[in-house]
Amino acid sequence: EVHLLESGGRLVQPGGSLRLSCVASGFTFSNFAMSWVRQAPSKGLDWVAAVSASAVTRYYSDSVRGRFTISRDNSKNTVFLEMNSLRAEDTALYYCAKVRSSSPFGSGDFWGQGTLVTVAS
Amino acid sequence: QSALTQPASVSGSPGQSITISCTGTSSDIGSYNYVSWYQHHPGKAPQLVIYDVSQRPSGVSNRFSASKSGNTASLTISGLQAEDEADYYCSSYTITSSILFGGGTKLTVL
Repeated sequence: EVHLLESGGRLVQPGGSLRLSCVASGFTFSNFAMSWVRQAPSKGLDWVAAVSASAVTRYYSDSVRGRFTISRDNSKNTVFLEMNSLRAEDTALYYCAKVRSSSPFGSGDFWGQGTLVTVAS
Repeated sequence: QSALTQPASVSGSPGQSITISCTGTSSDIGSYNYVSWYQHHPGKAPQLVIYDVSQRPSGVSNRFSASKSGNTASLTISGLQAEDEADYYCSSYTITSSILFGGGTKLTVL
């Protein structure tokens, strides 16, 4: 059974940094791309970033490019999201999702329960 | 990029069919067959119900079907059941090598 467990979300001040982690189990992690998707309070889903299975290619939404970095450690079945220069508008529940393929742009076929990031002073 | 356009809400009675539209542009839905649909019950993890425009993942009911015409994708749920009440999101790969979601549609089963 596929299981994704996100962690690292907390209250952080504007301009601060945070590192989210997502530990995966139940599938061959190194064969699949991974992505992060967020949902701000009372808003819809918003794609943030994705990384290929090999970690060679990474893609970002315009709103986070240059501030966020996605990475993965295939030896630890873990994907990360390093978040810098955080803004109030980054406040959201951050979901980790397994992508159906090795390419970063496939559909997310399994999702975690999310970790909450709140950016406020 | 603006979100894909979905109706804010749709409703139907048990047993009926409903269709949710998702309108994009030639830079996303119109150019790629990478449209997905997700069901999201608040407080739970989103669930993929359609990928690659019209493909159903294993375990998803065949009451869910989808298609695409031009810049618009559509999700149809037939034989509505109370458990189908949820938020539904479409998404598409885009020309800028990113994923764009729709604003979401709240489905109410009357």
